[in-house]
Amino acid sequence: DVKVTQSSRYLVKRTGEKVFLECVQDMDHENMFWYRQDPGLGLRLIYFSYDVKMKEKGDIPEGYSVSREKKERFSLILESASTNQTSMYLCASSLYPGTTEAFFGQGTRLTVV
Amino acid sequence: GESVGLHLPTLSVQEGDNSIINCAYSNSASDYFIWYKQESGKGPQFIIDIRSNMDKRQGQRVTVLLNKTVKHLSLQIAATQPGDSAVYFCAEILNTGGFKTIFGAGTRLFVKA
Repeated sequence: DVKVTQSSRYLVKRTGEKVFLECVQDMDHENMFWYRQDPGLGLRLIYFSYDVKMKEKGDIPEGYSVSREKKERFSLILESASTNQTSMYLCASSLYPGTTEAFFGQGTRLTVV
Repeated sequence: GESVGLHLPTLSVQEGDNSIINCAYSNSASDYFIWYKQESGKGPQFIIDIRSNMDKRQGQRVTVLLNKTVKHLSLQIAATQPGDSAVYFCAEILNTGGFKTIFGAGTRLFVKA
């Protein structure tokens, strides 16, 4: 059974804190993605990576960075958390970019207070 | 159908009835489409996909119809069950040299027992 695992289901952080969201996949997929999901807005792509140490900006990269040191792990970093980054964060992986379905993690609900 | 805004459109159906969930996609050059199901507290899960050279594709209890003339995608669920209650959203994948995935905002399906 394929699996994408996000390290936390719920997180509460203070404004200005540095936040790390971790994601691990066991499918040997090249491509990994970080999305945020807000009510009524659908999924918006923050960053993606198509190989180790490679990263590309998505549609809303501001305030975020990422790290892909190993193929199976893709980390999302909020350099200085702000209240408008309160959201559901979803990690996904896929074998080929865009042409096969993405497998999603269970999501991390982050609240910044 | 899909909607941009704070509140998801909702479809309420009786158990055993058929459900039709609609999606208007944005780009006539999109060449691949996917329907996802997202249950409460979980990440999105792949249901079915369709390529732009097809009009219809059937899975187990689900059918996706694609009308490229009006850029419309629909998901039909036969004999809807309580376990089908979830948010459903479509995704279109556009190949512009790199692949871009655009997600719809989603439709919430309630199944009444």
